[in-house]
Amino acid sequence: QIQLVQSGPENKKPGASVTVSCKTSGYSFLNHGINWVRQAPGQGLEWLGWTIPNSRSTDYAQNFQGRLSVTTDTSTKTAYMELTSLTSDDTAVYYCARDEGVCGGDCSAGPTAFDYWGQGTLVTVSS
Amino acid sequence: SYELTQPPSVSVAPGQTAKITCGGKNIGGKVVHWYQQKPGQAPLLVVYDDSDRPSGIPERFSGSNSGKAAALTITRVEAGDEADYFCQVWDRSSDQYVFGTGTKVTVL
Repeated sequence: QIQLVQSGPENKKPGASVTVSCKTSGYSFLNHGINWVRQAPGQGLEWLGWTIPNSRSTDYAQNFQGRLSVTTDTSTKTAYMELTSLTSDDTAVYYCARDEGVCGGDCSAGPTAFDYWGQGTLVTVSS
Repeated sequence: SYELTQPPSVSVAPGQTAKITCGGKNIGGKVVHWYQQKPGQAPLLVVYDDSDRPSGIPERFSGSNSGKAAALTITRVEAGDEADYFCQVWDRSSDQYVFGTGTKVTVL
């Protein structure tokens, strides 16, 4: 079965960086985009960025450009999200989520739905 | 930036129908997806591409997108449908996904 399993909770100081991993299984890793979404406590969902393993193309939400990096390791079928210059506003649960659509070649983010999600990783930023 | 507006809450009695709207500029020209999220859980896709249902999602969940607003309708509501629901679109003008503000469905 398709699974996305994320790394454990993180506690960080303001100004630090955090890396969250998302290990996938049960499907063709190369041909589905991976998205990153976060949810602050009691708040809604916010899309952060996207990457497609077969070309390593990326797309980032405007608010996170320059501070966010999403990458993949095709040998381990794992996606990574790194967020730098953390502030307390970055305290949230971070999710990885798979694109429902299949990418056969030169693809970009959108407009496909997210059909499988990781369990979420709580990142707490506090001094 | 593009915004999607949902009612904060919808209350419905068991067995009745719940309708959740999702409004945004020219939403009829966009493809809308819907997610269900229960407390402490990751979101679950319940409707994609305006009106398609993923495998395993009951027929009680249906979607529409008429142009002025998109909607998720849940018929024969059950206690287990109590959750937050979010709509989602891809905004081409900003090249990013946008989620709705979310609607809490309460089963009375």
